[in-house]
Amino acid sequence: AQSVAQPEDQVNVAEGNPLTVKCTYSVSGNPYLFWYVQYPNRGLQFLLKYITGDNLVKGSYGFEAEFNKSQTSFHLKKPSALVSDSALYFCAVRDRYSSASKIIFGSGTRLSIRP
Amino acid sequence: DAGVIQSPRHEVTEMGQEVTLRCKPISGHDYLFWYRQTMMRGLELLIYFNNNVPIDDSGMPEDRFSAKMPNASFSTLKIQPSEPRDSAVYFCASSIVNEQFFGPGTRLTVL
Repeated sequence: AQSVAQPEDQVNVAEGNPLTVKCTYSVSGNPYLFWYVQYPNRGLQFLLKYITGDNLVKGSYGFEAEFNKSQTSFHLKKPSALVSDSALYFCAVRDRYSSASKIIFGSGTRLSIRP
Repeated sequence: DAGVIQSPRHEVTEMGQEVTLRCKPISGHDYLFWYRQTMMRGLELLIYFNNNVPIDDSGMPEDRFSAKMPNASFSTLKIQPSEPRDSAVYFCASSIVNEQFFGPGTRLTVL
């Protein structure tokens, strides 16, 4: 069974500081991993994905995520946070070898960047 | 491309009434997903289609909920009869390979 955990409901960071939003996953095979962002009153927007290759994946708005197979993690990072990064962030996973196309979303982490 | 289109954006109805939510996926996408988002339960997958065929409806909460996809460019999610606990934001998403593209959602309030 696939699952994804986001251990922090909320992350608070000062503008200009680095940020990390944590995600761990569980799949029976090799994973496809995703990060999405949701701004208020909007749908989820795709940020980045890990399919294969380099463990460090770069995405939209200066975000990046590192796939760590041994720790089954896919933490989202940004070197310097902006107030406009404040939003709800979702990690998601899909088993690479599953015939089902659905992906499993985490519970979300609310990121708050203070000026 | 206009992205995934959902209508209406807001719906307020009274308990017992029928509610129909509509979705137009991105052209060429062969998967369509319906999700529900609430504060209490987070983001829940209700049902998804592949090439207009329902693949997994295990997330549909009960028989009051039904979904159809009569063609590649249109899907509906119907609740009949609606109840206050159905109040939520309902999202439609479509995909062709891996990442899903979400619509803006329909905020449903059942009084």
